[in-house]
Amino acid sequence: QKEVEQDPGPLSVPEGAIVSLNCTYSNSAFQYFMWYRQYSRKGPELLMYTYSSGNKEDGRFTAQVDKSSKYISLFIRDSQPSDSATYLCAMSVGTGGFKTIFGAGTRLFVKA
Amino acid sequence: GAVVSQHPSRVICKSGTSVKIECRSLDFQATTMFWYRQFPKKSLMLMATSNEGSKATYEQGVEKDKFLINHASLTLSTLTVTSAHPEDSSFYICSAAGTGQQYEQYFGPGTRLTVT
Repeated sequence: QKEVEQDPGPLSVPEGAIVSLNCTYSNSAFQYFMWYRQYSRKGPELLMYTYSSGNKEDGRFTAQVDKSSKYISLFIRDSQPSDSATYLCAMSVGTGGFKTIFGAGTRLFVKA
Repeated sequence: GAVVSQHPSRVICKSGTSVKIECRSLDFQATTMFWYRQFPKKSLMLMATSNEGSKATYEQGVEKDKFLINHASLTLSTLTVTSAHPEDSSFYICSAAGTGQQYEQYFGPGTRLTVT
């Protein structure tokens, strides 16, 4: 079983839709949860990070962490064609040399 | 957010030659830098972690004599692919993290290496 599972998609939605991206994980020691956006042939860009459980909102993006279910989500409201990219979840036990584990990434297409 | 640059963005080299890729943190001091390899439609594969002034820690299965990593300063790390072969062709991405923020990595734009 992989430490982090993420559906690779592709996920195709119409412009303006609410997008839900998800990851599950197996290591209950994970404390830091991140979402990255990666455009084709570019490096990943940090979108949001959350410590422990709860929600975090930034503009059209909302990150949720449910540690009891070992499940994290990223919601994108009012999706735009420019949101078309691959979204990678990532998580880490903590600082001090702990490795960050990445999901495989979900490819998202937002159609105009 | 923090800015990380990577150079070159694209390189083509002949089999048997060595290639050096530079990773720089432009506006912060990177205590730790990471080197990843990414295959098409696959996630990032961590190759090694380097701390400034220390030897890099390589992941299992990554040949340290083939992928030489140097982290000489808080703003620069280099990856040298020695005696490159076609199977080394890939997208190499570095990332950098500041002190106490190793969970928050900032990525470079990547280097596309093609070995002919």
